[in-house]
Amino acid sequence: GNSVTQMEGPVTLSEEAFLTINCTYTATGYPSLFWYVQYPGEGLQLLLKATKADDKGSNKGFEATYRKETTSFHLEKGSVQVSDSAVYFCALGGNQFYFGTGTSLTVIP
Amino acid sequence: EAQVTQNPRYLITVTGKKLTVTCSQNMNHEYMSWYRQDPGLGLRQIYYSMNVEVTDKGDVPEGYKVSRKEKRNFPLILESPSPNQTSLYFCASSLGWTGETQYFGPGTRLLVL
Repeated sequence: GNSVTQMEGPVTLSEEAFLTINCTYTATGYPSLFWYVQYPGEGLQLLLKATKADDKGSNKGFEATYRKETTSFHLEKGSVQVSDSAVYFCALGGNQFYFGTGTSLTVIP
Repeated sequence: EAQVTQNPRYLITVTGKKLTVTCSQNMNHEYMSWYRQDPGLGLRQIYYSMNVEVTDKGDVPEGYKVSRKEKRNFPLILESPSPNQTSLYFCASSLGWTGETQYFGPGTRLLVL
């Protein structure tokens, strides 16, 4: 069946450091891939998405590329800010949705 | 304002006492879904609905019921809650399903004693 495996946290980085959060998936068919972000006490919000192989999603300096050959959708940002501190979820979706377990990121000044 | 609303936001109940968590969206979305979020497990889909009167089980449907009588509403029903249903619940909606962005409600924190 479909599933998402996400890098475990928590992750702590200094401001302006490079961020990578790994995400790999198992899927039948051609699902879309997503990164959602959850700030404390809030619901999830879409960060970026990619709907087919080799697509790159990007938003607010974050990027992820849908790689079918490695079944991956790793999240990257070149220079993190304190305001990026949140929990990040990788997700796979078609009719049904599958989320990773979430990676907590803390950015310290 | 486009949004997904859930009520109540917090609920404490006892084992076996039926409860309903409401979910409503004002974006004319076709797809609606319920998730539960538990530490270390991420979000798991309970039920989803691709249109009015069409519902399907997600990964963890046991102990839950849903209905979709109107496009905007998608209530989650716990007929006989048990302590293992203590969790944070999110409702979400999207225009369609494949590739579409889901918009999440603020969450309902449920404690079953």
